[in-house]
Amino acid sequence: KNEVEQSPQNLTAQEGEFITINCSYSVGISALHWLQQHPGGGIVSLFMLSSGKKKHGRLIATINIQEKHSSLHITASHPRDSAVYICAVRFSQGGSEKLVFGKGTKLTVNP
Amino acid sequence: DTGVSQNPRHKITKRGQNVTFRCDPISEHNRLYWYRQTLGQGPEFLTYFQNEAQLEKSRLLSDRFSAERPKGSFSTLEIQRTEQGDSAMYLCASSLRLSNSPLHFGNGTRLTVT
Repeated sequence: KNEVEQSPQNLTAQEGEFITINCSYSVGISALHWLQQHPGGGIVSLFMLSSGKKKHGRLIATINIQEKHSSLHITASHPRDSAVYICAVRFSQGGSEKLVFGKGTKLTVNP
Repeated sequence: DTGVSQNPRHKITKRGQNVTFRCDPISEHNRLYWYRQTLGQGPEFLTYFQNEAQLEKSRLLSDRFSAERPKGSFSTLEIQRTEQGDSAMYLCASSLRLSNSPLHFGNGTRLTVT
């Protein structure tokens, strides 16, 4: 079964802390997305990666294909980073173009 | 680039009524996706189009659901004979056909069936 698991489900941090959100998946993938969802529903694509590491500002995403695991890191966290972070993958089996989403990690950064 | 636009933002309807949602993707994007999201869950895939062709449909998409993209531009999602279980956020996303093209999401249509 093609599954995506995220941890933790909820995360509370103090401003300035280094944050890590994890994503594991069950079988081979062709791409993995990290997305940010704010209250009200809007989803923003943060990263799409299939190998290695990407960095954008204070955000870093890594993926380990062999271990079927990805992490999203936020350095020097800020209250405006509070949102739900979602991992989504495109499984390479069957040639499907659909994304399978994790349930999300709700991040709250307190001042 | 005005982003992906979805209308309406909110829809409240009575059980048994039909509803239709519209998605206008980014103009040069030839792929368009519909997802459904319920509270506390990640989005679930419903269907996707490449230009006007509907290439994939989820088993979640019962016979009461139909989606169209007649000219390969905007898309509509219709739900017939709505049920309370249809209450959810319906999200549209678009992308280019390229395999490394990111998805751009609309703000969604929140459906409440009473």
